[in-house]
Amino acid sequence: GNSVTQMEGPVTLSEEAFLTINCTYTATGYPSLFWYVQYPGEGLQLLLKATKADDKGSNKGFEATYRKETTSFHLEKGSVQVSDSAVYFCALSTTGANSKLTFGKGITLSVRP
Amino acid sequence: NAGVTQTPKFRILKIGQSMTLQCTQDMNHNYMYWYRQDPGMGLKLIYYSVGAGITDKGEVPNGYNVSRSTTEDFPLRLELAAPSQTSVYFCASRDSLSNEKLFFGSGTQLSVL
Repeated sequence: GNSVTQMEGPVTLSEEAFLTINCTYTATGYPSLFWYVQYPGEGLQLLLKATKADDKGSNKGFEATYRKETTSFHLEKGSVQVSDSAVYFCALSTTGANSKLTFGKGITLSVRP
Repeated sequence: NAGVTQTPKFRILKIGQSMTLQCTQDMNHNYMYWYRQDPGMGLKLIYYSVGAGITDKGEVPNGYNVSRSTTEDFPLRLELAAPSQTSVYFCASRDSLSNEKLFFGSGTQLSVL
């Protein structure tokens, strides 16, 4: 079946540090890949996505590249801010009208001033 | 545009009590989902619906029931609450024409004591 594995957390960084959050996946076929973010007290929001190999998703300074050869979709940001403190979820979705998202466990990022 | 609205935000139940978690969306989305989020475990799909009158089980349906009599509403019913159902519950929806973006409600925090 489909699965998503995220690196263990939590992660604590100083403001302006470089961020990498690892995500690998197992899926049949050719999934779409996503990063969702959950700010404190809120529901999840889509951060970025990539739908095919070598695609790069980007939003709010975050980037992730769909690597089919390593089955990975690592999230990166060059300079984090305190406002980036949140829980980050990697997810995949296979194609088809009845497809559903499979989420990783999530990782908590705390950015200190 | 309210998006996905969940009520209540918080609830404490005694073992064996019943309750319904309400979810309403005003985006005319056909697809709706219920997830539960447990610490360090990511999101698990409980039930989903691809349109009014159609529901199906997700990964962890035991102890829950759903109905979908209208496009807008997708309530989740707990018949005999158990401590194992202590969790944060999220309702989500998506447009059937878009495979990727889920819109989430702000969640219901449920404790069963």
